[in-house]
Amino acid sequence: QKEVEQNSGPLSVPEGAIASLNCTYSDRGSQSFFWYRQYSGKSPELIMFIYSNGDKEDGRFTAQLNKASQYVSLLIRDSQPSDSATYLCAVISSGYGGSQGNLIFGKGTKLSVKP
Amino acid sequence: KAGVTQTPRYLIKTRGQQVTLSCSPISGHRSVSWYQQTPGQGLQFLFEYFSETQRNKGNFPGRFSGRQFSNSRSEMNVSTLELGDSALYLCASSLSGSYQETQYFGPGTRLLVL
Repeated sequence: QKEVEQNSGPLSVPEGAIASLNCTYSDRGSQSFFWYRQYSGKSPELIMFIYSNGDKEDGRFTAQLNKASQYVSLLIRDSQPSDSATYLCAVISSGYGGSQGNLIFGKGTKLSVKP
Repeated sequence: KAGVTQTPRYLIKTRGQQVTLSCSPISGHRSVSWYQQTPGQGLQFLFEYFSETQRNKGNFPGRFSGRQFSNSRSEMNVSTLELGDSALYLCASSLSGSYQETQYFGPGTRLLVL
């Protein structure tokens, strides 16, 4: 069973702080890693994707991938109250099980940014 | 470019009935995937269609089925509804479903089974 694990939170940070969200995955063959944001009652929206080991920055967001440790994280700098949402880590796994090319999601971490 | 659309947005059914949900992908996208989201299980993959063929299937019973039309629009059907089928059903589209592509989600259909 291929799994993606996230701390469910809630993670509470003050406005302006750095929020750090973490995710581990079980399938060593995983190739693509995504972070989605989901506001309550809305559908997921893509924030970032990362394929290679290391860091990838996009504005206030930085995704970090360590394939050896099977770990991916999302840092949000200068957190704003509008960042309050559930953040979903998703992985495209490899090969067998009928899951190639499709997303396996973690259950999400709820982030709350306090003004 | 218009996003992924899903109809209907809300649906109430009773146990034993069946339901059909519709998804229109972004223009030019040929891969459509369906997901079920519940508070307990999170987002779970149902199946993926590409060029009118089911290419991948998740771990759901045979009551859940789908199809894709030549214009890439997709439908999913749930027969003999159970209370546990109450969920948000999301579809997502991408160009070809390659592992390097981004999937774009529709607004979802919220199904309540009474």
